[in-house]
Amino acid sequence: GAVVSQHPSWVICKSGTSVKIECRSLDFQATTMFWYRQFPKQSLMLMATSNEGSKATYEQGVEKDKFLINHASLTLSTLTVTSAHPEDSSFYICSARAPGLSYEQYFGPGTRLTVT
Amino acid sequence: GEDVEQSLFLSVREGDSSVINCTYTDSSSTYLYWYKQEPGAGLQLLTYIFSNMDMKQDQRLTVLLNKKDKHLSLRIADTQTGDSAIYFCAEGLGLTGGGNKLTFGTGTQLKVEL
Repeated sequence: GAVVSQHPSWVICKSGTSVKIECRSLDFQATTMFWYRQFPKQSLMLMATSNEGSKATYEQGVEKDKFLINHASLTLSTLTVTSAHPEDSSFYICSARAPGLSYEQYFGPGTRLTVT
Repeated sequence: GEDVEQSLFLSVREGDSSVINCTYTDSSSTYLYWYKQEPGAGLQLLTYIFSNMDMKQDQRLTVLLNKKDKHLSLRIADTQTGDSAIYFCAEGLGLTGGGNKLTFGTGTQLKVEL
């Protein structure tokens, strides 16, 4: 089946620094990828929809200058958390739209970000 | 915006059936989904149902959809300890160009006791 990976699986960074998280579709091409964040014991909240070769579409309330998304190829999307603060600590999960199947998304294992 | 609600917690005994409920608000949802999340892990798609269907069965899983009441349920037959996890329902709205934008429910923690 289709596999989506994320790297790193967990990261600790200091306040004020930037962190890049990668999302890769390993055995299929993904024209659309999605980025979610999940706070402890809470649901997933969609942050943005990323389309290959175009600008990401951000959900209301998500700062596009803080959460930079780049979908430069059909197998890679990156999320960069710029000038991270402790409140950005969260579990970030990406998903990729299944090729030819509009109703299904494959999810990555998630990245745990802790900002100290 | 859309709100998808679930009860927070469900405890069942091993071998019993589990029923997890979900209510949603957007009647234009095209697909409705059930995902499973184990601690510290991503989401696993369990099953989905198209909005024009009432019921779907897949091995131990049965999904019921009441579109009039915007109510979705997931029944797990013969619940096992390995089923202990958080279960999320999600509604999917079609995106221009294909794919669905998912709105997730609040999640139900299922605990299976021996």
